[in-house]
Amino acid sequence: QSVLAQPPSVSAAPGQKVTISCSGSSSNIGNNFVSWYQQFPETAPKLLIYENNKRPSGIPDRFSGSKSGTSATLDITGLQTGDEADYYCLTWDSSLRAGVFGGGTKLTVL
Amino acid sequence: EVQVVESGGGLVQPGGSLRLSCAASGLTFNNCKMTWVRQAPGKGLEWVANIKQDGSEKNYVDSVKGRFTISRDNAKNSLYLQMNSLRVEDTAVYYCRAKSSGVDYWGQGTLVTVSS
Repeated sequence: QSVLAQPPSVSAAPGQKVTISCSGSSSNIGNNFVSWYQQFPETAPKLLIYENNKRPSGIPDRFSGSKSGTSATLDITGLQTGDEADYYCLTWDSSLRAGVFGGGTKLTVL
Repeated sequence: EVQVVESGGGLVQPGGSLRLSCAASGLTFNNCKMTWVRQAPGKGLEWVANIKQDGSEKNYVDSVKGRFTISRDNAKNSLYLQMNSLRVEDTAVYYCRAKSSGVDYWGQGTLVTVSS
């Protein structure tokens, strides 16, 4: 049972937009930055978004992040089959004094 | 080119110990906050421990407190995870993550299997 709640799966057609949510509390998302990661099978996670809404160099602007209160969202527009992967949110939990990942969301591009 | 390489994984019996290492190159290691993250087979990512740039602060997930110790040697650009009293549920791929100013580098992971 993860501290951060993500939907187990989402799906959409190529070219469409999908939103992945990450719900937490005041001890984590509410008062700390959120990062988002993309992971393909058998590979290390890749940073997509940091500090809620910033993109590292090389990440296309099809990926965007936002935060409101104790929830964060990752939006992916112009979906491509190559976007099929697992997506995780990550933040710091000030009460646990530990990092916490969401349970992960599997994206299927139909 | 930045490289982050983990080593030290393997098969160990319950109650045993292992020491993981992570060697980083191509980055300013002493500017990086370092983290260990693990992933059990078929499961999601789990944050394990982190250590500040100068080693002055260390944090752990509850399930490893008292059993695992994170450390670093900035002179050797290396991160370590000493794992004692290993349990079957510690079986996972262990990743090393280097974070600095919006950049984030991960190794390929090293597999730890705890089994009798």
